[in-house]
Amino acid sequence: DSGVTQTPKHLITATGQRVTLRCSPRSGDLSVYWYQQSLDQGLQFLIQYYNGEERAKGNILERFSAQQFPDLHSELNLSSLELGDSALYFCASSVEGRGREQYFGPGTRLTVT
Amino acid sequence: EDKVVQSPLSLVVHEGDTVTLNCSYEVTNFRSLLWYKQEKKAPTFLFMLTSSGIEKKSGRLSSILDKKELFSILNITATQTGDSAVYLCAVEASGGSNYKLTFGKGTLLTVNP
Repeated sequence: DSGVTQTPKHLITATGQRVTLRCSPRSGDLSVYWYQQSLDQGLQFLIQYYNGEERAKGNILERFSAQQFPDLHSELNLSSLELGDSALYFCASSVEGRGREQYFGPGTRLTVT
Repeated sequence: EDKVVQSPLSLVVHEGDTVTLNCSYEVTNFRSLLWYKQEKKAPTFLFMLTSSGIEKKSGRLSSILDKKELFSILNITATQTGDSAVYLCAVEASGGSNYKLTFGKGTLLTVNP
């Protein structure tokens, strides 16, 4: 158990809908990272927040957004969902702003039908 | 565009064999290279390498980085069935206050009894 929690574990929704994924980092970690993992694309970095501020952006679509709250938990919002958004979404956390030793949560499996 | 290429894509060995997994990269402003093990869940951190030629070791696993030739290897000796997993290589690069983490597609290792 990495100490990073993610909810929900599974989510099934229809195309065009909007969902919110939640992540609580390990105690003491200030950085939160979001990743998307699909069979064809592998693990893709989406976005990073450090102490409430956006620090880095990866391959995140405009339909997706995230934020980190004052208590350091983070939410990833996915809107206008498409079939291709079906994937495993991981959250990871680290102490520093530089994402070296990251600890991954168990992931949220999103299925868009 | 940053690139991380792992080889082989998959590998099947027998218990007791020694395996070498490869990771080559092309990134701008390299900071570190990380290895993760992913079983049927979230990736777990194995090693972080920043300096060339210094071997990192943890039990039967070891890794080394060559910053001149832009690659790293992960060795596993006396493999066990519990080593069966996808091994992910990731490279951290920085640009000012931002950073970027690029993952390879992974090597699927299967260790048969």
